[in-house]
Amino acid sequence: RKEVEQDPGPFNVPEGATVAFNCTYSNSASQSFFWYRQDCRKEPKLLMSVYSSGNEDGRFTAQLNRASQYISLLIRDSKLSDSATYLCVVNLFNDYKLSFGAGTTVTVRA
Amino acid sequence: DVKVTQSSRYLVKRTGEKVFLECVQDMDHENMFWYRQDPGLGLRLIYFSYDVKMKEKGDIPEGYSVSREKKERFSLILESASTNQTSMYLCASTLPRALAGVRGYEQYFGPGTRLTVT
Repeated sequence: RKEVEQDPGPFNVPEGATVAFNCTYSNSASQSFFWYRQDCRKEPKLLMSVYSSGNEDGRFTAQLNRASQYISLLIRDSKLSDSATYLCVVNLFNDYKLSFGAGTTVTVRA
Repeated sequence: DVKVTQSSRYLVKRTGEKVFLECVQDMDHENMFWYRQDPGLGLRLIYFSYDVKMKEKGDIPEGYSVSREKKERFSLILESASTNQTSMYLCASTLPRALAGVRGYEQYFGPGTRLTVT
């Protein structure tokens, strides 16, 4: 079983729509959670960390459900520039290593 | 701004060749990582280094070795390239947890090297 699993999508949404997707992680000892964004043929970049209470960064909202071992990302008022692959990333306590999901592709159309 | 650079964006090598991929970061980061990224599999850790001359195997070290002689430079070596090593290779660096606080695990990636082995 993969450590981090994501629905690969693609999610095709019109501009202005809301899109949400989850990822699940297998190790209950995981402590830190992140969403990275990767544009086509580019390197991944940190989008946001995910905190236990949930957090927002502009149009992006991240949630963590430890009991069910999943995290979610919601994008409101989608822009064309939001088209990318979103990587779910999980980290164990005091471990340098990150575990990456394979990514969820979002395409926002005009 | 953190900058991580990789020696080549695209590389084509023949089976059996020795291949060197170089990564340099300019932010005095302790930790450096090499990943490969393949469709449907995501990023998989090959090796990482937490200090000069220190290295640890990641999840898929077979067929690879690494070298860290200077803090800013981390090299990935394919001793005898094979076709199943055709992939996108990404280097990353990060501060140690004690210095980086809550954002400690933000990894800064280089632009990647797309390696094709024929």
